[in-house]
Amino acid sequence: QLQLQESGPGLVKPSETLSLTCAVSGGSISSSSYYWGWVRQPPGKGLEWIANIYYTGSTYYNPSLKSRVTISADMSKNQFSLKLSSVTAADTAVYYCARDPATDESFDIWGQGTMVTVSS
Amino acid sequence: QSALTQPASVSGSPGQSITISCTGTSSDVGAYNYVSWYQQHPGKAPKLIIYDVSERPSGVSDRFSGSKSGNTASLTISGLQAEDEADYHCCSYTDSSSWVFGGGTELTVL
Repeated sequence: QLQLQESGPGLVKPSETLSLTCAVSGGSISSSSYYWGWVRQPPGKGLEWIANIYYTGSTYYNPSLKSRVTISADMSKNQFSLKLSSVTAADTAVYYCARDPATDESFDIWGQGTMVTVSS
Repeated sequence: QSALTQPASVSGSPGQSITISCTGTSSDVGAYNYVSWYQQHPGKAPKLIIYDVSERPSGVSDRFSGSKSGNTASLTISGLQAEDEADYHCCSYTDSSSWVFGGGTELTVL
């Protein structure tokens, strides 16, 4: 059974870089059948897609965040990562990693989420 | 890209049916049949309940159904149950190879 687990600092200072990793177990991120992505949810608000990556290394970014976001994958460790630079309080959110079946552009399996607070 | 538009809240009594709308544009909802819906209980991760506008993943109750007309997608829940009380989010793939979510709808079962 596929499982995704987010990890990273729960507190990041303003203007610094937020770094998160999603470890995948029970399946391979090298599969051609899936994209892998990040979605966030500020407290009390809706979901916001951040970025996706394909096993070929192709990346896709939310236009509103593109200048600050980098998504990458480490096939040897079966994990993928998110970096968000120059963070502000507006980046405070629960960050989820998720799997996207390449055939239907949805997010079918999600990690439990990790809360990241931006504060000095 | 702008978020898809959903009503902030809807409510219904047990046994009734409710419909949640999700309005986008010709660049997202209207462009492809790649609309998905997610159920989210408090403090939990979202759960996929509808993909490709109207397809249900294995294990999802057939009380959940989806449809689309033009730039508006809809989620219908029939035979409302107390356990359906949750937030519901729509999502669409866009013509710029990105994804956009709605603002979410809080469902209250009276």
